[in-house]
Amino acid sequence: NAGVTQTPKFRILKIGQSMTLQCAQDMNHNYMYWYRQDPGMGLKLIYYSVGAGITDKGEVPNGYNVSRSTTEDFPLRLELAAPSQTSVYFCASSSLSARKPYEQYFGPGTRLTVT
Amino acid sequence: KNEVEQSPQNLTAQEGEFITINCSYSVGISALHWLQQHPGGGIVSLFMLSSGKKKHGRLIATINIQEKHSSLHITASHPRDSAVYICAVRRGADGLTFGKGTHLIIQP
Repeated sequence: NAGVTQTPKFRILKIGQSMTLQCAQDMNHNYMYWYRQDPGMGLKLIYYSVGAGITDKGEVPNGYNVSRSTTEDFPLRLELAAPSQTSVYFCASSSLSARKPYEQYFGPGTRLTVT
Repeated sequence: KNEVEQSPQNLTAQEGEFITINCSYSVGISALHWLQQHPGGGIVSLFMLSSGKKKHGRLIATINIQEKHSSLHITASHPRDSAVYICAVRRGADGLTFGKGTHLIIQP
């Protein structure tokens, strides 16, 4: 199993540009999450999904959109990039039916800089 | 006030020392998670607990639900334990709420 994969690893965007951060998991987990990590701050939840077709806002959803058309994929869309979105983005997944229910598996992260 | 508070924020110790990292939270939870973030940035789950104590190798995690407090202990610390240790709480399926992390450096 590859676990949770994220692409790209690094990206530099200009203000106002758009991009999609990709996240995929091959563990058949129904729960997926997007977090952002800013220096000196704890990770914060952006959006989450409890299954295909179901998404909901987390603590800091403004400026982002998500979709969950399949169990495996959970892309995060930035429509009009702003410097405040400079951060490291982590995707994670978990499952109620896994050997360790709700244990979160994290992707390697995407480091995004908006200038 | 953050829902999850960790202390200390930074900790430098000598190899072999016994390490304690503390976590306090202010909300009702389903479980508490301890995570490790390596210098390269990757995050791995160490423990998930809702009561009592868990042990894995040299790592021990305890939780006191009544006092809303958890501790992570490292026995016989080693330089490879140097990392950021993160406490997070879970209330349901809607993700985790994280502390700011404890930067641990173990010197040889």
